[in-house]
Amino acid sequence: GAGVSQSPRYKVAKRGQDVALRCDPISGHVSLFWYQQALGQGPEFLTYFQNEAQLDKSGLPSDRFFAERPEGSVSTLKIQRTQQEDSAVYLCASSLGRWSSDSPLHFGNGTRLTVT
Amino acid sequence: AQSVTQLDSHVSVSEGTPVLLRCNYSSSYSPSLFWYVQHPNKGLQLLLKYTSAATLVKGINGFEAEFKKSETSFHLTKPSAHMSDAAEYFCVVSGSFSGGYNKLIFGAGTRLAVHP
Repeated sequence: GAGVSQSPRYKVAKRGQDVALRCDPISGHVSLFWYQQALGQGPEFLTYFQNEAQLDKSGLPSDRFFAERPEGSVSTLKIQRTQQEDSAVYLCASSLGRWSSDSPLHFGNGTRLTVT
Repeated sequence: AQSVTQLDSHVSVSEGTPVLLRCNYSSSYSPSLFWYVQHPNKGLQLLLKYTSAATLVKGINGFEAEFKKSETSFHLTKPSAHMSDAAEYFCVVSGSFSGGYNKLIFGAGTRLAVHP
C-alpha cells in the first residue's frame, strides 16, 4: 500500500504481558514518529527517529516503553509489563525527509491497545 | 513552551450551516499551526497549515482558518457543513525540542456532529 501501515489493528493484553506494535512507514521516508492517543484526548508525542537514529525519546512515559528502527524503515514500539494506563491508540507517522513544519506528515490508522 | 487549547469539546451543527471550531495557542515564538481531522477508524489527515505566510489559510474540503496573532487564535471555519464533515478535529502547534527538531503538540480535540 501507499500509506503508513500499522499492525496489529487491535491488541488486547493482560496486565503484565509484553506487547510489540509494528509500523511500516511509507517506503523511503526518513522521519518516523510514534504518538500515544488516550481515549478522548489528542495524540501525545512519544519518540522520533531519523532513519535508524532515535533522536528524541523524551515522550516515552516510562522505561517499560522501548522503540527501535534498526534498518531505518520498519519500527517497533515495545511495551513491557503492560499496565492498564497503557491502554490507548498508538499512532505512527512518517515523512519523506528530515521533518520540519513544512513537511507533510502521514499518519497510520493506529493500533488500539487494551490492557485488561 | 508551546500549547494549544480547543475551546469546545463538542460542536453540533445542522447540515448546510456554518462551522466554527475554536483554537487558541501559546507559543514563545512564531508558531506553525495546523488543523488535522480524524474520522472514525481512520488515520489523521491534514486539513490545512499556517507557516507564517498568509494569515488566512485555505485547506481541503472547503475549510479555512485565520491566524490572529493579537488574539493568539487559529479558528477553523467552513461556510456550509456537510454530513461527511462529522469527525474529530485537532488543532496542532509545532513545538521544539532539543536538537532543533520539531514535534507536533495536539489539542484535546473537538468532536463535530452534523445533523440533517
